[in-house]
Amino acid sequence: DAKTTQPTSMDCAEGRAANLPCNHSTISGNEYVYWYRQIHSQGPQYIIHGLKNNETNEMASLIITEDRKSSTLILPHATLRDTAVYYCIVRVATDNDMRFGAGTRLTVKP
Amino acid sequence: DTAVSQTPKYLVTQMGNDKSIKCEQNLGHDTMYWYKQDSKKFLKIMFSYNNKELIINETVPNRFSPKSPDKAHLNLHINSLELGDSAVYFCASSQLAGGVTDTQYFGPGTRLTVL
Repeated sequence: DAKTTQPTSMDCAEGRAANLPCNHSTISGNEYVYWYRQIHSQGPQYIIHGLKNNETNEMASLIITEDRKSSTLILPHATLRDTAVYYCIVRVATDNDMRFGAGTRLTVKP
Repeated sequence: DTAVSQTPKYLVTQMGNDKSIKCEQNLGHDTMYWYKQDSKKFLKIMFSYNNKELIINETVPNRFSPKSPDKAHLNLHINSLELGDSAVYFCASSQLAGGVTDTQYFGPGTRLTVL
């Protein structure tokens, strides 16, 4: 009952922008889009979240389409340390249940 | 000053044994969680505790029991360990039991291997 679809893997050149897509065509009006990442052998790390407006923080930008059926996480200048599995999650804000799918394995190459 | 810490980092034990994994958070958060990451790398929530009350239990076998001595700690006890319990277990915490700004912060994980 996955709510999101992400590519299995992506490569990005160091210093370039990494654009990670996520499809969530069944998203409900009260569900937010969250992004986490998991670097090898570490716990998941929060990146960013949004409802319908685009969001930006010190780590990344989140672009959500107007119909909210898809979104893109942008790492503006990828570094080797950004190599990780990136998870796109949709959830109601009041829901404690974070259901992680398979994610996208991003490899940043020199 | 790690925000969410877990001990031990690695745990190797025999089938049938009883073991515990400890988790502590120094963020002053009200809610703590346990997740299991299996060999296929899927992360699944097991429990969450808010103010010493269990608020989620995702059909986890009753061999698993979370115990919270105080708001900063949520330990995971596992009885009669089975081979299928082998996985990485992550502890997490969040400020509130839900909410827009309820970001979950994860610990480094405990790799449990049952022989």
